[in-house]
Amino acid sequence: GDSVTQMEGPVTLSEEAFLTINCTYTATGYPSLFWYVQYPGEGLQLLLKATKADDKGSNKGFEATYRKETTSFHLEKGSVQVSDSAVYFCALRFNNNDMRFGAGTRLTVKP
Amino acid sequence: KAGVTQTPRYLIKTRGQQVTLSCSPISGHRSVSWYQQTPGQGLQFLFEYFSETQRNKGNFPGRFSGRQFSNSRSEMNVSTLELGDSALYLCASSLQQGDGYTFGSGTRLTVV
Repeated sequence: GDSVTQMEGPVTLSEEAFLTINCTYTATGYPSLFWYVQYPGEGLQLLLKATKADDKGSNKGFEATYRKETTSFHLEKGSVQVSDSAVYFCALRFNNNDMRFGAGTRLTVKP
Repeated sequence: KAGVTQTPRYLIKTRGQQVTLSCSPISGHRSVSWYQQTPGQGLQFLFEYFSETQRNKGNFPGRFSGRQFSNSRSEMNVSTLELGDSALYLCASSLQQGDGYTFGSGTRLTVV
């Protein structure tokens, strides 16, 4: 079935470091792809999305490009801040089906 | 506009009891989905409602049920609670099926 695999954490970076969180998907077609972020004690917040191949989603300095050749949607940020510390989830959704989430990657940014 | 509202935020129940959780979606959103989040299993899909009809259902036992009202508000019910039902239950709404979700803050259920 359709599924998402993301890199296992935790990931620990120093402030202003470059961030990459890998995400690959398995699907029979071309789903919409999403990144969500979850801060402690809260629900998930949509960070960015892409609905078709080669689309680039971006928000708050984060970017991800929908690559159908490599079935990937890696999350990147050029310079992380302490406030970016959270758990990040990659997800896919086909049309009227439920959204499938990866296991989540915990990011800790140290000053 | 108001976000997705889930009540209550925290709940402690005894094994064998039943519980009802409530979710009010963003105004105008007709699709409501429920997820269970645990450290071991991650985010698992429970069910989705659209215009009062259950459209999708995850792989959970029949003890887990839900419904949606004409104003799009949704409830989920868990009967005969087990210790393993302890989790964060998240509700999410979307304008149409296939869109991205907007999540509520969740209801933290602890079964003792």
